[in-house]
This record gives sequence, C-alpha cells and structure tokens, in this order.
Amino acid sequence: ETGVTQTPRHLVMGMTNKKSLKCEQHLGHNAMYWYKQSAKKPLELMFVYNFKEQTENNSVPSRFSPECPNSSHLFLHLHTLQPEDSALYLCASSQVPRDSPLHFGNGTRLTVT
Amino acid sequence: AQSVSQHNHHVILSEAASLELGCNYSYGGTVNLFWYVQYPGQHLQLLLKYFSGDPLVKGIKGFEAEFIKSKFSFNLRKPSVQWSDTAEYFCAANNAGNMLTFGGGTRLMVKP
Repeated sequence: ETGVTQTPRHLVMGMTNKKSLKCEQHLGHNAMYWYKQSAKKPLELMFVYNFKEQTENNSVPSRFSPECPNSSHLFLHLHTLQPEDSALYLCASSQVPRDSPLHFGNGTRLTVT
Repeated sequence: AQSVSQHNHHVILSEAASLELGCNYSYGGTVNLFWYVQYPGQHLQLLLKYFSGDPLVKGIKGFEAEFIKSKFSFNLRKPSVQWSDTAEYFCAANNAGNMLTFGGGTRLMVKP
C-alpha cells in the first residue's frame, strides 16, 4: 500500500475515445503530480497542483486535461490520443515545499490503439 | 537546461558483488538530490535523499550515496548486492523549491 492509489491499472483505448485516469492520496499531502514514464526516456513531469491550483504545465498537449477537485484527488482526462501517448502514467503526491520526497502510485499502463 | 544523467542503462551483477550506479547533474547553486527505486511490479519509492550536511548519505536496505560537489555527482553504492535488489533505480535532483528532474533510470539485475 503506497498511500497513493491509481485507477485503472491498465487501460486500452482507441484514438477517438475519451477516458479518465484517477489518483487518490491518503497521506494528507497538499501537492499532486502527473508524470509520464515512457520506455527509454526519463520520467517526464506533466502537471503539478499545489493546494488544488495548477502551478505547472510542462508543455503538455491539450489532449491531456488535468483536474484537481480537492487536495486528495487528481484526474487526467484523455481524448483523441495518439499511439505515441502509450506509456505508464504515474501520479505522485508530496508536502509543500517541493523539496519533500514524492510518494508515487503504481501507475496506469495506457495503450492507445 | 537542468538535467540529470545516469550513464549506466543496464547493469548485471552476481549476488555479493559491489554496486555503484553513476548519477551526474547539471544544476548550479544549492541542489537537493534523491535516489528512487522501482522494484518489479511496484511503485517508485524513495531510497535516500541529500539536502545538506554530511555528503555521505545512508539510505534503506544498506544503500548509500555520496555527494561530490566538484564532480556534480551523486553515485549510489551498496557493498554487497542481493537478488532482491533487482530493480530500476532513478536519480533525481532539484534546486530548492523547484520541480524534480529525473535521470533516465538504470535497470539492475542481480543474478542469484
């Protein structure tokens, strides 16, 4: 049990589908993150929310749309994705300040067909 | 741009061998350094971190890392690896208050 729960664990979607990834943290943290982990590439930071406010958008295409309704929940809404978006999407949380270590979920393995 | 480099992408060792995984960063000023580990089928978790003070940092499971400022390095070491250390290891760095940048990861396989 990591304290950060991601659902679903696996997702296969077509390029015209709309789906959402969910993340929930039970650690009382106030910062949440989405990372993308692709084969043979470093972990890529996508979005950061501090106290429900988005503070970072790392040049992510608009087909990825984050939502943070409260400090414990984070969503990543997906639409009209491309096959190259297939990757492991990791949610993490931490205390503010950002120097605090990240706590990661198990990730959602996304395959776009 | 700030970056973190891990030179070894794959490492294969026999049990009881010594381990050293390289990590170099390109940050100026005060830097925070981390090693994360991802065991097969599990989530990324913190192995150890350096903020300030003693440049030799002890982490969990017998791992340690040494911050050498002059070399911009934060190499991970373990004197004697076990089969259960098979995992992917990620080095990460940031300046105070800024986002973490991760290295590309090193896959370690320990043969029994």
